[in-house]
Amino acid sequence: GQNIDQPTEMTATEGAIVQINCTYQTSGFNGLFWYQQHAGEAPTFLSYNVLDGLEEKGRFSSFLSRSKGYSYLLLKELQMKDSASYLCAAGGFKTIFGAGTRLFVKA
Amino acid sequence: DTGVSQNPRHKITKRGQNVTFRCDPISEHNRLYWYRQTLGQGPEFLTYFQNEAQLEKSRLLSDRFSAERPKGSFSTLEIQRTEQGDSAMYLCASSWNRGDLGETQYFGPGTRLLVL
Repeated sequence: GQNIDQPTEMTATEGAIVQINCTYQTSGFNGLFWYQQHAGEAPTFLSYNVLDGLEEKGRFSSFLSRSKGYSYLLLKELQMKDSASYLCAAGGFKTIFGAGTRLFVKA
Repeated sequence: DTGVSQNPRHKITKRGQNVTFRCDPISEHNRLYWYRQTLGQGPEFLTYFQNEAQLEKSRLLSDRFSAERPKGSFSTLEIQRTEQGDSAMYLCASSWNRGDLGETQYFGPGTRLLVL
């Protein structure tokens, strides 16, 4: 079957580092996406991993292990504006989205 | 602005009425997706097009839902005989499909539907 699992909620402190994990099962896997979604807004693209390893893009990094069906999104130097839902999506014959992890950043 | 646009942004309708939403994708993109999202959930796939061809439709989608992309550019999603359970955000996304590589989807702002 096809499935995406990620934690429902996380809380972290401004300036800290947080890691959001995602496990996936999908048919014809061809990449793992992370999107950010603020309340009431559309998802916006953050990162794409197709090979194993870490991709760094500013304060955000994303990791993929295809053999384990596992990815994580790492957010450094957290800011209040990072409070949002983070959606993990596995690309394949069809892209499957997880339910999202709501991140609360507190002062 | 060359991003994905959707109209209307908000729609309130009475149960039993028909509604139609429009999506204008990024012009060079060949794929267009429709999703439905309810509170606390991720986007749920409804259907997608490659150019003007509708390649897949979710089995969760009843026959009250229909989508078209007549010239391979804009798309419309119609819901007939709306029900209160249809209340949700309807998201459109477009992408450039590069074959066997994953494609980044760019989302429009969504149409929020409320069925009374």
